[in-house]
Amino acid sequence: SQKIEQNSEALNIQEGKTATLTCNYTNYSPAYLQWYRQDPGRGPVFLLLIRENEKEKRKERLKVTFDTTLKQSLFHITASQPADSATYLCAPRTGANNLFFGTGTRLTVIP
Amino acid sequence: NAGVTQTPKFRVLKTGQSMTLLCAQDMNHEYMYWYRQDPGMGLRLIHYSVGEGTTAKGEVPDGYNVSRLKKQNFLLGLESAAPSQTSVYFCASSTLAGSSYEQYFGPGTRLTVT
Repeated sequence: SQKIEQNSEALNIQEGKTATLTCNYTNYSPAYLQWYRQDPGRGPVFLLLIRENEKEKRKERLKVTFDTTLKQSLFHITASQPADSATYLCAPRTGANNLFFGTGTRLTVIP
Repeated sequence: NAGVTQTPKFRVLKTGQSMTLLCAQDMNHEYMYWYRQDPGMGLRLIHYSVGEGTTAKGEVPDGYNVSRLKKQNFLLGLESAAPSQTSVYFCASSTLAGSSYEQYFGPGTRLTVT
């Protein structure tokens, strides 16, 4: 069955540094991969999507890579700020009805 | 636009009681979903709907029923609540347009079954 692993339940970094979060998946081949942010007590919010034929996608301070050979996506936040502290979820997708999320990585940016 | 709203925000049930959670979206989205989120388990799909009048099972459907009589509403029912159904429930919606399948989530319902 499909398995999604987000390495590190929790990640602490200093303000201004780059945070790198990892998402590994097994037993399926997603056509695209989404990343969501979730703040405590709130629903997830969509951040970025990257397709299987894209190696890298950027949005402001966010960068996502997608390596279909390694079955891995990396999510980077550059120049991190305390406001970036949240849980980040990855969701590799094969289509609209294949809806699995990773368990998330809780990021804390220390001032 | 209110986006996705969920009613109620909190609920405490006794074992064996029933209840219905209501999800509403005002974005004219075709797809709607119900998830539960438990510590260490992540988001797990309970049921989903690809259009008015249609529903399908997700990863953990046992003990739940759903209905989508109107495009904007998706109801999640618990017929006989069990302590294992204590969780935070999220509703989400998405559209076929754009093919990114971005999901818009509601604020969640925290359910405790004693």
